[in-house]
Amino acid sequence: DAGVTQSPTHLIKTRGQHVTLRCSPISGHKSVSWYQQVLGQGPQFIFQYYEKEERGRGNFPDRFSARQFPNYSSELNVNALLLGDSALYLCASSLTPTDVNQPQHFGDGTRLSIL
Amino acid sequence: LAKTTQPISMDSYEGQEVNITCSHNNIATNDYITWYQQFPSQGPRFIIQGYKTKVTNEVASLFIPADRKSSTLSLPRVSLSDTAVYYCLVAWSSGNTPLVFGKGTRLSVIA
Repeated sequence: DAGVTQSPTHLIKTRGQHVTLRCSPISGHKSVSWYQQVLGQGPQFIFQYYEKEERGRGNFPDRFSARQFPNYSSELNVNALLLGDSALYLCASSLTPTDVNQPQHFGDGTRLSIL
Repeated sequence: LAKTTQPISMDSYEGQEVNITCSHNNIATNDYITWYQQFPSQGPRFIIQGYKTKVTNEVASLFIPADRKSSTLSLPRVSLSDTAVYYCLVAWSSGNTPLVFGKGTRLSVIA
């Protein structure tokens, strides 16, 4: 079975632009989470979606938004890009948000560079 | 959410056993301890999870003392391909969000 897939793998944008990142979870997984990882730091939680509903949100500005589709894939949108948004954006999926024995599986991320 | 403390970096020679200790003094009763491994330009990969005593899988062992205020990830006979960043996390479920990552431990394996 395929793991978590993210697209695109790399992206270059300029300040003020908008970006959409995409994630396909592992088949059967209904929970998708987004994380931002800047260089030298651990991933930071942005959003969680489960059954198309937002279940959690990290400390990120309203420029960040996300949604989950009926097939459980997800999009992360970032408006009015800033230089500080340059990071690796990771998507993780799990069966449900509450299953103790099922870890989150991460994709390899989208590397976003803001010029 | 419990905060974890782990060494910033460690060096080891190939073939040695590596032990990475993580402190989590404020771990809650329902929290599990989970370790992830991350290679450059890749997403974190789940290694092992435990609640108490000892857990072993094909990749690593996790030792958790009775007070659960710390844990030790043990990697037997490391190879160059084990060079990575290792994150210790606590959460009431490894599938739960948000997972709170620290800076991790950068392990460098030397030939």
